[in-house]
Formats: sequence, C-alpha cells, structure tokens
Amino acid sequence: TQLLEQSPQFLSIQEGENLTVYCNSSSVFSSLQWYRQEPGEGPVLLVTVVTGGEVKKLKRLTFQFGDARKDSSLHITAAQPGDTGLYLCAGADNQGGKLIFGQGTELSVKP
Amino acid sequence: NAGVTQTPKFQVLKTGQSMTLQCAQDMNHEYMSWYRQDPGMGLRLIHYSVGAGITDQGEVPNGYNVSRSTTEDFPLRLLSAAPSQTSVYFCASSYGKPPPSYEQYFGPGTRLTVT
Repeated sequence: TQLLEQSPQFLSIQEGENLTVYCNSSSVFSSLQWYRQEPGEGPVLLVTVVTGGEVKKLKRLTFQFGDARKDSSLHITAAQPGDTGLYLCAGADNQGGKLIFGQGTELSVKP
Repeated sequence: NAGVTQTPKFQVLKTGQSMTLQCAQDMNHEYMSWYRQDPGMGLRLIHYSVGAGITDQGEVPNGYNVSRSTTEDFPLRLLSAAPSQTSVYFCASSYGKPPPSYEQYFGPGTRLTVT
C-alpha cells in the first residue's frame, strides 16, 4: 500500500515568516500534486510535479519533487494571512486510477 | 459552468437509515470519484469511475455503493448508515484518471452526521 506522510500536521506562524511542508513516502510516485483547502470548501489544485528533481514556483510558493520521486516539499516565503488553510499533497498510485492523499498540514498565519 | 455540484450540503441521519449523496459535473469529465475527509486523515478514496457504466473500489468502500449511468452524475449511496460514516464527503471529477497530471475538481462537500 502506498502511503504519503505529511509533516508537520499543524503550523502556526507570524506574518512574514518562511515555512516548509514535507510530503514523504517509501514508494515511488509517477506524479505528485499539492492542493489547498479552505474551511467549508473542497480542495483546489495548486501544482503538479512530474519529473524527479522538478521545481515549480507559484508567486511566493515553491514546490519541489524529490530526485527519486518519493517525496515533495512546499516552501512558502514571507507568509501572509491569506495563506491560511489546509495543504494536502496527493500522489497517483502506480496502478493508475487512484489518487492517494497525505493527512494534510493545517497552516495558520497570524497578522 | 457550475463545475462540480453536491447535494445536500448538510445531512443528519439516524443509525440504519439510508440516503443518497448527489454529485453532478458539467465539464464532460470521464473520471469521477468520492472521498471522505476525517480530521487528521486527509482524504480517503471511497469509489471511483473512469466512465459511464464503469466503477471501482477505492481504499474505504465498505458501506457505500455507487453507480454511473451518465457521464454527468455519480451518486453515492449509504444503505444502512452507521456512526462511523460521520464525515465530510467530497465528490471530484477530472478529464482523465490519475496519472498523468489531470487536475481534480472538487465539489463543496456534504457534511454528514449519523447519530
């Protein structure tokens, strides 16, 4: 069974700080996605990484896929209160057809 | 486009009752799926469908049934509700099945409480 472990589960920081969220597995994934979810809503896709070692940037967010395609990280620079939410990583299982989610990281950015 | 719609938004059931959670999408997506979200457990796949007439089980299918008679609709049925099925349920759709990197579009969720 492929599993994705996210850390930390909870993160509370002040506006302007930097942070990194990790998504780790012992299995290889063909692609990894990062979603953001706000209270009372469904998750929304932020990015997909496909190639080992790939780095993608979305404004102040930097996403990296590990060389071995077993892990990924999300780095936020100068966090803002609008970044508050639940961040979820998700990997496509090797047999196809299923998306496996990590437990999520709940981020709170205080002004 | 309305995207992915789910009804109802909230539901309270008594143990043993049955109900159907509705999900519809207007994006002509082939792939649809149902997840449940519980605190600290992320999203867990219940059932999914790669096209009309084709369904398959996910990680936690017990106690749930699905069918896919049209491309647009993918209802989730609880035959005999149990307190362990108290959760938030999300329906999602995408152009194709993962992989590769097809974006999943999620509905707003149904919050179900079973007493």
